[in-house]
Amino acid sequence: GENVEQHPSTLSVQEGDSAVIKCTYSDSASNYFPWYKQELGKGPQLIIDIRSNVGEKKDQRIAVTLNKTAKHFSLHITETQPEDSAVYFCAENGAGGTSYGKLTFGQGTILTVHP
Amino acid sequence: KAGVTQTPRYLIKTRGQQVTLSCSPISGHRSVSWYQQTPGQGLQFLFEYFSETQRNKGNFPGRFSGRQFSNSRSEMNVSTLELGDSALYLCASSGTGGGNTEAFFGQGTRLTVV
Repeated sequence: GENVEQHPSTLSVQEGDSAVIKCTYSDSASNYFPWYKQELGKGPQLIIDIRSNVGEKKDQRIAVTLNKTAKHFSLHITETQPEDSAVYFCAENGAGGTSYGKLTFGQGTILTVHP
Repeated sequence: KAGVTQTPRYLIKTRGQQVTLSCSPISGHRSVSWYQQTPGQGLQFLFEYFSETQRNKGNFPGRFSGRQFSNSRSEMNVSTLELGDSALYLCASSGTGGGNTEAFFGQGTRLTVV
């Protein structure tokens, strides 16, 4: 079945530093890998995603890389700011690629950015 | 454009009761998915509805059920509530036209079972 391992579970950085969160997955049929940010009292917010035909995608300070052979993908945040502090979740659509509505999530990473 | 709307935001129910949660997707989205979020188990997929049909189902007991209406609005129902059903229930909508699109989440319904 689908399984997503996410590391680290907590990450503390100084403002301006970079943060990297890594995920591995097991379902080779997965073809869609989104990342969500969840702030206290709110639902998860999609911040970036990548499809399996792409190895890297960047959006301003956020980038995601995908290695389909090794079945892992990573989130990179550069020049971190205190407002980046939140819980980050990786996910994959291990439904054989038929739907983006069935996502398997990692356990989450609590990111704290110290001013 | 309005986002995903979930009602109510908070609910307190007694063990053994049943509860119905509602989700209005983003306009034009045809897929609605439900997730349960708890500190111990994280975010777990419950089920997905597309064009009024259940398209995918997670590993939850039959006490958890859902449906989708012709306007894509969805409801989920939990019968015979247990203390362990206390969680944040999240709804996500996706899918416009014939293709897959990103899933956007609502704020969730916080259910407390006492």
